[in-house]
Amino acid sequence: DARVTQTPRHKVTEMGQEVTMRCQPILGHNTVFWYRQTMMQGLELLAYFRNRAPLDDSGMPKDRFSAEMPDATLATLKIQPSEPRDSAVYFCASGLQGEKLFFGSGTQLSVL
Amino acid sequence: AQRVTQPEKLLSVFKGAPVELKCNYSYSGSPELFWYVQYSRQRLQLLLRHISRESIKGFTADLNKGETSFHLKKPFAQEEDSAMYYCALKASGTYKYIFGTGTRLKVLA
Repeated sequence: DARVTQTPRHKVTEMGQEVTMRCQPILGHNTVFWYRQTMMQGLELLAYFRNRAPLDDSGMPKDRFSAEMPDATLATLKIQPSEPRDSAVYFCASGLQGEKLFFGSGTQLSVL
Repeated sequence: AQRVTQPEKLLSVFKGAPVELKCNYSYSGSPELFWYVQYSRQRLQLLLRHISRESIKGFTADLNKGETSFHLKKPFAQEEDSAMYYCALKASGTYKYIFGTGTRLKVLA
């Protein structure tokens, strides 16, 4: 049963530290999404890729967040420097040609 | 700009009672609408999509373009329906999915 894999599952770090979250999309899927889940905002779209090319990262704070797909099997979301307000659950999802999304288990980030 | 609004953060109903989770959207074009669900300790997963017009686990949703709504309904709630429900919109011709803030449904025994 193919699944989207996210690492790490949990991350606790101190303010100012760099955080890198990784995602392995389902093999063959050509769209990859990063979402942030908070109580107040729900699921916010941070960035998404199609065929590894970034299509939209307007939801991301550009000064500290960056998203890349170095190859078809890996997507990364980096925060540098991290701040307490970045504490949230970060989800990766993948899909094929805009069909339904398959979500990972998420990375729960706590920035102290 | 596309926007999805779910006005209720929490909805509590008794088992056997009807359920309606509200979703309104803002989009000038022809949208595709979805409901995703996250059960406790499980991944977010697709519940249903408007173009398939199917009923999943007894849930249905009708796209009302006049009211720009896509409310999720079930005539008789079950305890296992307790979960977080997200309404989502995909703009036509794009791969961009916009989600609402979510509604937590609690079905009480």
